[in-house]
Amino acid sequence: DSGVTQTPKHLITATGQRVTLRCSPRSGDLSVYWYQQSLDQGLQFLIHYYNGEERAKGNILERFSAQQFPDLHSELNLSSLELGDSALYFCASSPGLAGGRKEQFFGPGTRLTVL
Amino acid sequence: GDSVTQMEGPVTLSEEAFLTINCTYTATGYPSLFWYVQYPGEGLQLLLKATKADDKGSNKGFEATYRKETTSFHLEKGSVQVSDSAVYFCALTTDNAGGTSYGKLTFGQGTILTVHP
Repeated sequence: DSGVTQTPKHLITATGQRVTLRCSPRSGDLSVYWYQQSLDQGLQFLIHYYNGEERAKGNILERFSAQQFPDLHSELNLSSLELGDSALYFCASSPGLAGGRKEQFFGPGTRLTVL
Repeated sequence: GDSVTQMEGPVTLSEEAFLTINCTYTATGYPSLFWYVQYPGEGLQLLLKATKADDKGSNKGFEATYRKETTSFHLEKGSVQVSDSAVYFCALTTDNAGGTSYGKLTFGQGTILTVHP
């Protein structure tokens, strides 16, 4: 158990809908990262928050957004869903950004199925 | 940009066989290198890491050495077990000159390992 929790574990929805994925980082970790794992794209970085502020964006669609709250949990919002958004979404956390604190701890993921 | 290339899989071995999974990278900045493992139906777990050239990461019998001259970080294990069957990902983050990470992990495509009794 990494200490990172994600809810829900599975999500099935229809095209055009909007969903919210939730992540609670390990206690004390300030950084939260979101990744998407799909068969055709592999594991891709979406976005990084550090202590409530957006720090970096990867290949994140404009239909997707995220935020990190004062208690450090994070939410990833996916809207106007398309079939191609079906994937496993992982959240990861790390203590910080320097030295040995770079290691990221992954949650179990949320499997999103868009029908 | 940064990229990681892993040997094409899947890899199928008999128990107690020697394992090598090749990983090469290109990176701007100063990369830290990682191997993550994903067991069926689970998230990613860090297997080992190396943060500077010539460092050797090791864990659970697995080893990998950060080779800057060949930009490689090959994963090895002397004797695999059925329980090692999983998907293995090589990954990197890059740091700036001050040693602060840019944060994101760049992953290879993953290598599926199946070990038969």
